[in-house]
Amino acid sequence: AQSVTQLDSQVPVFEEAPVELRCNYSSSVSVYLFWYVQYPNQGLQLLLKYLSGSTLVESINGFEAEFNKSQTSFHLRKPSVHISDTAEYFCAVHKAAGNKLTFGGGTRVLVKP
Amino acid sequence: KAGVTQTPRYLIKTRGQQVTLSCSPISGHRSVSWYQQTPGQGLQFLFEYFSETQRNKGNFPGRFSGRQFSNSRSEMNVSTLELGDSALYLCASSLDYSGNTIYFGEGSWLTVV
Repeated sequence: AQSVTQLDSQVPVFEEAPVELRCNYSSSVSVYLFWYVQYPNQGLQLLLKYLSGSTLVESINGFEAEFNKSQTSFHLRKPSVHISDTAEYFCAVHKAAGNKLTFGGGTRVLVKP
Repeated sequence: KAGVTQTPRYLIKTRGQQVTLSCSPISGHRSVSWYQQTPGQGLQFLFEYFSETQRNKGNFPGRFSGRQFSNSRSEMNVSTLELGDSALYLCASSLDYSGNTIYFGEGSWLTVV
């Protein structure tokens, strides 16, 4: 069975500072990797995804994630955060056919002024 | 293009009752998945429907069931509600069975009292 570990449950960060959210997964086969963001009292929004090709993927709002196959990691980074980035971030893994995702436990990001 | 629509958004039920939640996927999408989100267990996969057939099922008791209609809309039902069923239920929509892009709705907040 595959599992996803988000190493930090909470990450406080000052506005305009960089942030890195760590995600490790366990799988012996090729997987798709996703990051979702959840704002308070809302559903999940797709932030970015890795399917194949370039190991560095970017989102339209400044986040990027790097797929590292040897370390089975998919860490999310943003060079400069805004107050509006305060949310919970989930890493997810997809394996095999279908659309089942396995999620990590989530990382709460609190951006402080 | 409308996103994934879930109804109702909020509901309160009494132990022992049953509840039906509805999900309309993005137009043209044929796969619908359901997830339960709780503070203690995080995001857990319930089941997936594709072309009106259940293709995948998570580790939940038989009280949790679902179905998909010919227009791809889906419903999930929970019978004999327990306090522990209080959760955010999220519906996810996908174009096909490839798993490469999965969009979520805003969720249905269920409180069991």
